[in-house]
Amino acid sequence: SQTIHQWPATLVQPVGSPLSLECTVEGTSNPNLYWYRQAAGRGLQLLFYSVGIGQISSEVPQNLSASRPQDRQFILSSKKLLLSDSGFYLCAWSGAGRYGYTFGSGTRLTVV
Amino acid sequence: KQEVTQIPAALSVPEGENLVLNCSFTDSAIYNLQWFRQDPGKGLTSLLLIQSSQREQTSGRLNASLDKSSGRSTLYIAASQPGDSATYLCAGRYWNAGNMLTFGGGTRLMVKP
Repeated sequence: SQTIHQWPATLVQPVGSPLSLECTVEGTSNPNLYWYRQAAGRGLQLLFYSVGIGQISSEVPQNLSASRPQDRQFILSSKKLLLSDSGFYLCAWSGAGRYGYTFGSGTRLTVV
Repeated sequence: KQEVTQIPAALSVPEGENLVLNCSFTDSAIYNLQWFRQDPGKGLTSLLLIQSSQREQTSGRLNASLDKSSGRSTLYIAASQPGDSATYLCAGRYWNAGNMLTFGGGTRLMVKP
């Protein structure tokens, strides 16, 4: 069966520090991968998605970047965090078309 | 642009009550619609996935319906329990929007003992 792993679960980082969040999927190949952010009391915002290794699409301009160095690995990064980067970050995967999405357990990021 | 709307934003019911959560969407060119549950501080758990060719899906006390012609989906929860308290999100996946989900704003459900 397919599983998705996301870590760390919680992170507190100072303003200006770098960020690296990792997401991996097991039990499938060539998944579509997504990074979402959920700000407190708000809905889910799609940040990045990837349909293959090295293929990254960004939905919103921001201080973050994403990379997909391997088929089942998706990384969210920042060189210098801002206070506004605080939030709950969720990784997800899906097959194409008629498949549903599966979400990871999320990372709570607090920038102080 | 596709939009997904969930009303009400919050709902409080006594334990044991049957309830219906509503989801409406603006574009009938839908691949499928997925219902999720989110507990506070947690990720999204998939509850039910309805393909565009289907009318409903059932899992235990949950039943989700899809009516493309009216642009509506409902999530029916039978015999609600305090453990059902969570935020419920619906999301549509569209033919003409690549592989992206469009989420509703969610309904925050509280089931009181």
